[in-house]
Order: sequence, then C-alpha cells, then structure tokens
Amino acid sequence: AQSVAQPEDQVNVAEGNPLTVKCTYSVSGNPYLFWYVQYPNRGLQFLLKYITGDNLVKGSYGFEAEFNKSQTSFHLKKPSALVSDSALYFCAVRDTGNTDKLIFGTGTRLQVFP
Amino acid sequence: DAGVTQSPTHLIKTRGQQVTLRCSPKSGHDTVSWYQQALGQGPQFIFQYYEEEERQRGNFPDRFSGHQFPNYSSELNVNALLLGDSALYLCASSFSGHQPQHFGDGTRLSIL
Repeated sequence: AQSVAQPEDQVNVAEGNPLTVKCTYSVSGNPYLFWYVQYPNRGLQFLLKYITGDNLVKGSYGFEAEFNKSQTSFHLKKPSALVSDSALYFCAVRDTGNTDKLIFGTGTRLQVFP
Repeated sequence: DAGVTQSPTHLIKTRGQQVTLRCSPKSGHDTVSWYQQALGQGPQFIFQYYEEEERQRGNFPDRFSGHQFPNYSSELNVNALLLGDSALYLCASSFSGHQPQHFGDGTRLSIL
C-alpha cells in the first residue's frame, strides 16, 4: 500500500534561515507526490507536485521540493523562511489505480520565529 | 473564479442524529472527493464521485454516504452520528483525475 511518513511533528526555524520539512514515501510503481499547506481554520492549499522529470520541483510561495528516489524522500525546502510560512504542512502520495485519491502524512507544524 | 465552496462552515449535532454536508467544486472540475480530518491528523479519504457515481471508497462504514449531482456538486451524508465523527470534513475537486486537487475550507462537525 502507498504511504508517506513525516517524521517531525514540528520544525522551528528563525526568519531568514533556510527551512526543510521532511517526507519519506513507500509506493509500488512510480510515485506521484504532493505538498499541501494548511493555515488555521482553512482547507489545504496546493504547493507543488512531483510526477516525473526534474528531481527539483519548484512551487508556490518560493517553496521547492527535492525528489530522491534512492532515499525515497521528498523533502520540502525554502531558502529563506518567513514568519507567514508558519502553518501545518502535509506530504501526500497518490494512490494506485484509476483514481486521484490522496494518502496524507500526519503533518508537520512549521513555526518560524522573528 | 470561485474555488471549492463548502457549507455549512460549522455544525453541531448530537449522537444518533444525521447530517448532510455540501460541496460545490471549482469551476471546470467534474470530480469530487471527500476527506475526514480528525484533530491533529492528516486527512483521510472517504470516497470520490465522478459522473454521479462513487468511483472509490476509503475505509469508512456505510453510515457515510454521498451523492453527486448533474452540476458536479456533491453531498456527504452521515447517519447515526458518533462522538468519533467529530472532525473537519474537506471536499476536494479536480478535473477527470488530473492533479492537483483543490480543497475547500471544510465543514467543522462537532458531535455532543
């Protein structure tokens, strides 16, 4: 079965510093991977996806993610964190079969301190 | 261009009651998926509707049912509510399986 794991419940970073939010995956076949962000009392906003192609994927709000097949990882990164980036981040993988069902990780809370 | 809209935003029910949640997909989208997000957890897939039929179902009991209308909007019905059904219910839409899915802001359901 497809799954993703987010090993960190919370990541703390100072504003202006680079940030990384970790995600590892377990899939059969080629992975379709996603990052979403959730602000308080809101739904999920799409940040970026990896389906095929370059291992470095660029997304919204200056975020990017690095796909690493050998390490089965898809870490989210940003060169310079903003206080406004503080939110809950979810990694997800598309399930197999004729569906676009997403399987989500448990989420990582990012706290950016001024 | 309106995104995914859900109603109501908040709902309070008691155990044993029934509830209906509504979702209008993003313009141009024809596929609607429903997710349950319990407090402190990631969203869990309930089911997906395409062409007015349930295309796939997650690990949820039959108390959870849905419907999709010809205009692609959708309803989620939950019968015989349990305390454990308290959660944020998210609707997501897409076009014929093309990613990404777009999510609404959800309906917060509280069971007393």
